[in-house]
Amino acid sequence: EDQVTQSPEALRLQEGESSSLNCSYTVSGLRGLFWYRQDPGKGPEFLFTLYSAGEEKEKERLKATLTKKESFLHITAPKPEDSATYLCAADTTDSWGKLQFGAGTQVVVTP
Amino acid sequence: DAGVTQSPTHLIKTRGQHVTLRCSPISGHKSVSWYQQVLGQGPQFIFQYYEKEERGRGNFPDRFSARQFPNYSSELNVNALLLGDSALYLCASSFGRGGAETQYFGPGTRLLVL
Repeated sequence: EDQVTQSPEALRLQEGESSSLNCSYTVSGLRGLFWYRQDPGKGPEFLFTLYSAGEEKEKERLKATLTKKESFLHITAPKPEDSATYLCAADTTDSWGKLQFGAGTQVVVTP
Repeated sequence: DAGVTQSPTHLIKTRGQHVTLRCSPISGHKSVSWYQQVLGQGPQFIFQYYEKEERGRGNFPDRFSARQFPNYSSELNVNALLLGDSALYLCASSFGRGGAETQYFGPGTRLLVL
C-alpha cells in the first residue's frame, strides 16, 4: 500500500534558524513528488514538483530535494511569514490524478 | 487570472441532510479533483473528473458523488450526512489528467455537520 510520511509533525524555529522537513514515501512507482504550503483555513498553495532522484528546486528561502525514498524541504534563514503547514504528496503510476498526501509538518517561526 | 474558486465558503448542516459543493477550475483546465481534509491530517482523495467523466475514485462510500459539466466546473454531492463528514472540502484543477500534472487548489468549503 502506498504511504507518505512526514516528520517532524511540528517544528518551532527562531527567525534565521535554518532547518529541514522530511517526507518519506513508499509507493509502487513515483511519477512526481509535490510540495505544498497551507495556511490555516486555506487551500494548499503549490510550491514544487520533483520528478527524479537527485533533482533539486529552489524558491526564495525554500529548497526541495528528492532521493529514491524521501524528499527534503530545506528552509534557510526562515522569517515569520514562512509559518505554515507544509504538505508533501506523491503522484504514483497506479493511480491517475490522485495525490497521496502526508499529514504535514506545522512550522512556526518566531521573531 | 482567477484561480480555482469554490462555493460556498462555509456550510452548516445536520445529520441526514444532503449537501452540494461547487467548484470552478482555472480557465483552460479540464481536470477537477476533490479532496477531503480533516483537521490535523493531509487531504484525502475523493474523485477525479476529466472531460466530464470520472477517472478516479478514492475510498469513500457511495454517499459521495460528483459530476463535471461541459464548462469543466464540478459539483460534489454528499447524501445522508454523518458527523464524521465535517471537514474542509478542497477542489483542485489541472490542465489534463496526465501523470504528475500540478494540481492547483481552491480555498475550500468548510462543512460542519451537527
